Amino acid sequence: DVKVTQSSRYLVKRTGEKVFLECVQDMDHENMFWYRQDPGLGLRLIYFSYDVKMKEKGDIPEGYSVSREKKERFSLILESASTNQTSMYLCASSTQDPDAEAFFGQGTRLTVV
Amino acid sequence: DQQVKQNSPSLSVQEGRISILNCDYTNSMFDYFLWYKKYPAEGPTFLISISSIKDKNEDGRFTVFLNKSAKHLSLHIVPSQPGDSAVYFCAASVGSSASKIIFGSGTRLSIRP
Repeated sequence: DVKVTQSSRYLVKRTGEKVFLECVQDMDHENMFWYRQDPGLGLRLIYFSYDVKMKEKGDIPEGYSVSREKKERFSLILESASTNQTSMYLCASSTQDPDAEAFFGQGTRLTVV
Repeated sequence: DQQVKQNSPSLSVQEGRISILNCDYTNSMFDYFLWYKKYPAEGPTFLISISSIKDKNEDGRFTVFLNKSAKHLSLHIVPSQPGDSAVYFCAASVGSSASKIIFGSGTRLSIRP
């Protein structure tokens, strides 16, 4: 059974803290994604990685960075958390086939206070 | 600017009837379209997809129709069942190896008895 695992289901952090969200996939997928889900806005792409150490900005990269040192792990970093980064964060992975579907983790509900 | 749009935030359908969820896109480079279903507190799961070379794809109770000239796709669920109550996301990608998957804002489908 394919699996994308996010390290935490719920997180509460203080404004200004550095926050790490971790994602691990066991499917040997080349592509990995970080999205955030907000009411009325759907899933918005933050960053995308298509290979180890390779990344591309998504639609809303401001305030975030990412790290992909190993193929199976993709980390999202909030350099200085702010209240407007309170959201549901979803990690996904896929192969590089043109018709690939993305497999999602269960999500991390982050609250910044 | 949203490249994938779902203009109906919610839809209520009686059990046993047909549910039709709509999606519009603006980027003519998209050549692969996907529908995902999401329950609360879970990650999205893949439902059905369609390539731009087709105009219809069917899988059991689910059918996706693509109208390329109108840049419009729709998901038909028939007959609708209570377990279909969820948020449905339309997504699109350019069919290359390092391709982002762009999601719409979602439609919350409620199946009433």
